Amino acid sequence: DSGVTQTPKHLITATGQRVTLRCSPRSGDLSVYWYQQSLDQGLQFLIQYYNGEERAKGNILERFSAQQFPDLHSELNLSSLELGDSALYFCASTGGISGNTIYFGEGSWLTVV
Amino acid sequence: EDQVTQSPEALRLQEGESSSLNCSYTVSGLRGLFWYRQDPGKGPEFLFTLYSAGEEKEKERLKATLTKKESFLHITAPKPEDSATYLCAVQDMDSNYQLIWGAGTKLIIKP
Repeated sequence: DSGVTQTPKHLITATGQRVTLRCSPRSGDLSVYWYQQSLDQGLQFLIQYYNGEERAKGNILERFSAQQFPDLHSELNLSSLELGDSALYFCASTGGISGNTIYFGEGSWLTVV
Repeated sequence: EDQVTQSPEALRLQEGESSSLNCSYTVSGLRGLFWYRQDPGKGPEFLFTLYSAGEEKEKERLKATLTKKESFLHITAPKPEDSATYLCAVQDMDSNYQLIWGAGTKLIIKP
């Protein structure tokens, strides 16, 4: 158990809909990352937050947005969903007791039908 | 430009057959090199962090080593449960804790 908690574990939704994925980082970690992994593909970095502020942006679509709240949990919002958005979405955290090692959650499986 | 290349892309071994996975990297200044294991449909599981050339770390049948240009993950007498994709990533000193990922090596251990 990495200590990073993601919900929901599985989600099936229709095209055009909007979903929110939630992440609770390891206790004491200040930084949260979001990654996307499509079937048999590598990890694609989406966005990073540090202590509530956006720190870095990767290949995140304009239809996607994220935020980190004062209690350090984070949410990734995916809107106007397309079939190609079906993927595993991982949250990871670092900082605090983790030092600079990044720990991953188990992911949220999103299926768009 | 920071770059991480892993080889081979896939490796099939018999149970007990030792081998090594390679991760070569190019960064301006290395903050750390990380090895992860990923099982299908699961999140990457942290294995090791290496910080400087000459450093070695071990965990069960795995041993990671680091030089100035590459890292090796040595697998000694592997078992079928070691089958997974092994990912290598590096942090550049100037990267603001971003990870540059390799594409991974898919390891299959046959009983």
